[in-house]
Amino acid sequence: DIVMTQSPDSLAVSLGERATINCKSSPSVLYSSNNKNYLAWYQQKPGQPPKLLISWASTRESGVPDRFSGSGSGTDFTLTISSLQAEDVAVYFCLQYYSPPYTFGQGTKLEI
Amino acid sequence: QVQLVQSGAEVKKPGASVKVSCKASGYTFTGYYMHWVRQAPGQGLEWMGRINPNSGGTNYAQRFQGRVTMTRDTSISTAYMEMSRLRSDDTAVYYCARDRGSSSSLSLYYFDYWGQGTLVTVSS
Repeated sequence: DIVMTQSPDSLAVSLGERATINCKSSPSVLYSSNNKNYLAWYQQKPGQPPKLLISWASTRESGVPDRFSGSGSGTDFTLTISSLQAEDVAVYFCLQYYSPPYTFGQGTKLEI
Repeated sequence: QVQLVQSGAEVKKPGASVKVSCKASGYTFTGYYMHWVRQAPGQGLEWMGRINPNSGGTNYAQRFQGRVTMTRDTSISTAYMEMSRLRSDDTAVYYCARDRGSSSSLSLYYFDYWGQGTLVTVSS
């Protein structure tokens, strides 16, 4: 199984500041034949299902604010929130869909 | 708009079975794989398996093989997840989640729409 490891487990950031969450896969989730990274990011607020933010490591979902961005390739990925808003308080998960079983990172709790 | 509406919370005794439903609307049900994911209290997300609503074909995570059965009823656009021989550590919120890719595609995709979740509590 592909192991997804997020860091940090929790993070406190001031309003308006940048938040950075990391996700490492072992092994790589880059498919060489199409040069795509099979990595997505989700946001989950208490009592709600996860919400898709980013797919293919860096493609922002329609309707997701542009302060959210994804980067990275191969085994190392980053979710960045450029200017933290109060409504961004949540747990963030990465997901690999390169190979079943699909696996998630353990989550990063983002607080203000 | 795409909606996935799941059945209500369940309380079961150890050793019993539970069947959770997921009714889809706003898209062609047979056109997209449906996945099931669970989340134990305060824990992360765990993929359980997926079903192709068109063919009925399934893929299960190895740890759930033999204990989970995923089915569908295309006449009412509903997917089901049944788990048997429940244990206390099966207490979790169970989600259905739609695959972004087509059910006729061999490629793998992420999950775009999720149900609201169904809490299954296993307790004696």
